[in-house]
Amino acid sequence: EVHLVDSGGGLVKPGGSLRLSCAASGFTFSNYRMNWVRQAPGKGLEWVSSTSTSGDYTYYVDSVKGRFTISRDNAKNSLYLQMNSLRAEDTAVYYCARESTNYYPHFDSWGQGTLVTVSS
Amino acid sequence: DIQMTQSPFSLSASVGDRVTITCRASQSINRYLHWYQQKPGKAPELLIYAASSLESGVPSRFSGSGSGTDFTLTINSLQPEDFATYYCQHSYSTPPTFGQGTKVEIK
Repeated sequence: EVHLVDSGGGLVKPGGSLRLSCAASGFTFSNYRMNWVRQAPGKGLEWVSSTSTSGDYTYYVDSVKGRFTISRDNAKNSLYLQMNSLRAEDTAVYYCARESTNYYPHFDSWGQGTLVTVSS
Repeated sequence: DIQMTQSPFSLSASVGDRVTITCRASQSINRYLHWYQQKPGKAPELLIYAASSLESGVPSRFSGSGSGTDFTLTINSLQPEDFATYYCQHSYSTPPTFGQGTKVEIK
């Protein structure tokens, strides 16, 4: 069974940093692109970042470019999101999501989410 | 970026009703359109991918249709566990974007 466990969230001051982790199990992690999707309180879903299977290629939504870095360790079956220069508008639940290998890629499995609160 | 617009924003329905939610893309996205269900405090779950393919384990009362710019999610015979928020999402290009969500509430 596919299992994704998000961790690392918490309360951080504006300008601070945080590193999120996603532990994967139940599938061959290195065969799948992985993503981070966030949801601000009471709001909709927003894709944040994705990484290729090897980690060589990474993509970001414009609002986090230059501040967030996605990475993965295929030996540890883990996905990460390093978040620097955090802003109040980054407050959200962050989900890791596996991207299907289907011709029409979609998010077929999600972590439970971890809450990031940016506040002074 | 491709904008996804869902309608309605919310709806009230009764158990047993047929519910239809629409999603419109700001440009043609072929069939790169997927639907998710989210319940309060939970992660989203995939319902439909590639516009009309039912994800394994999802009840057959859920169906999707459409291609190009206009898509529909239909729930036949709404069940108590279907009261949730539904999101469409495209994967035609980067960034993938979501609709704003449609909240299905109990009448």
